[in-house]
Amino acid sequence: EIVLTQSPGTLSLSPGERATLSCRASQSVSSSYLAWYQQKLGQAPRLLIYGASSRATGIPDRFSGSGSGTDFTLTISRLEPEDFAVYYCQHYGTGFTFGPGTKVDIK
Amino acid sequence: QVQLQESGPGLVKPSQTLSLTCTVSGGSINSGGYYSWSWIRQPPGKGLEWIGYIYYSGSTYYNPSLKSRLTVSVDTSKNQFSLKLTSVTAADTAVYYCARALVVPQGYFDYWGQGTLVTVSS
Repeated sequence: EIVLTQSPGTLSLSPGERATLSCRASQSVSSSYLAWYQQKLGQAPRLLIYGASSRATGIPDRFSGSGSGTDFTLTISRLEPEDFAVYYCQHYGTGFTFGPGTKVDIK
Repeated sequence: QVQLQESGPGLVKPSQTLSLTCTVSGGSINSGGYYSWSWIRQPPGKGLEWIGYIYYSGSTYYNPSLKSRLTVSVDTSKNQFSLKLTSVTAADTAVYYCARALVVPQGYFDYWGQGTLVTVSS
């Protein structure tokens, strides 16, 4: 069973700053099956990135994904006020696995 | 635009069975093997836990940690799929989401329901 670890647990930044979020898998995974989601309080998660680096429909280009093997990264180039939220990575194998999440909050 | 809507009791007593239904609109559950239909839950203040999925054909795959208590079924005539979780405890209190996943060629959830809070309490 693949286990996903996300770091840091909380990232405190100011609007306009760059955010770098990490997702590490317990063993090598296919990039095709790695996705990222944003979740705001009281809302369902929203797909940001699929296939490790492809932006979902309607997602601004300040969001980018990269990585391969066991190490994946979500980067937000310049934080907008609406980007402060919790971010989850997810892997699909035979079932689905989510990481524990990274909270991006306002410094 | 595909929409999913969860429905079911918001309060379940300990040891009883939690039952939820997800109604799909704007698209068909019978849309082929590229999609699976999942249940996901989120305890208050915690992260996401995938529960299980079903294909339109009725094939299922469950989270091993819940498998012994779980049944997911599909009714293609009503464009619905359902969750039954038996012998619930307070640890099953969570917001329950239904979601569609594209599984070929990638695997990700593209549409989610709004979620429904289920509280297990006497």
